[in-house]
Amino acid sequence: AQSVTQPDIHITVSEGASLELRCNYSYGATPYLFWYVQSPGQGLQLLLKYFSGDTLVQGIKGFEAEFKRSQSSFNLRKPSVHWSDAAEYFCAVGSGGYNKLIFGAGTRLAVHP
Amino acid sequence: GAVVSQHPSWVICKSGTSVKIECRSLDFQATTMFWYRQFPKQSLMLMATSNEGSKATYEQGVEKDKFLINHASLTLSTLTVTSAHPEDSSFYICSATTSGSGNEQFFGPGTRLTVL
Repeated sequence: AQSVTQPDIHITVSEGASLELRCNYSYGATPYLFWYVQSPGQGLQLLLKYFSGDTLVQGIKGFEAEFKRSQSSFNLRKPSVHWSDAAEYFCAVGSGGYNKLIFGAGTRLAVHP
Repeated sequence: GAVVSQHPSWVICKSGTSVKIECRSLDFQATTMFWYRQFPKQSLMLMATSNEGSKATYEQGVEKDKFLINHASLTLSTLTVTSAHPEDSSFYICSATTSGSGNEQFFGPGTRLTVL
């Protein structure tokens, strides 16, 4: 069965520090992978996606993610975190592009000044 | 662009009553809308997919008679929780897609339902 695991429920980093949020997936075919960010009172916003091609994808707000098929991972990274990055982050896998998205449980990011 | 709104943002109701949640695409026509349910500290679970003018397709385990979905126009879908019970308390999120955006899902801010 398709599934997404985000091992870290809550992460706290200092402003300016680097960030890596982990995501592992279970999927039988070539996955479509996504990272979304959810801020209070706002809808989920797409940070980046991987459909095919270059395994290192760049997204908005300075985020990037690397697809590693051998590890079934799609970890999200940012070299220097800003206080405004504090939010909930969701990794998702899609069975056919954007349809039938399966989400992980989310990682809540707190940023210390 | 690609803004999705939900109304109300939160609602409290008594057990046994019905509650309607609206999802609107404000600046685009949504070919497909999705309804999700999010439990505290858990992921979003897809409840149903609806296309304008068609009956919604419900995910396994979702009661179609309890969660009525109407997608009457290309900009509006409604979710009605009928005869609500405390276990229906949750965060309900909708999303909308348009073919013009490569079917990317744009999400609404969610509706918090509390059933007393």
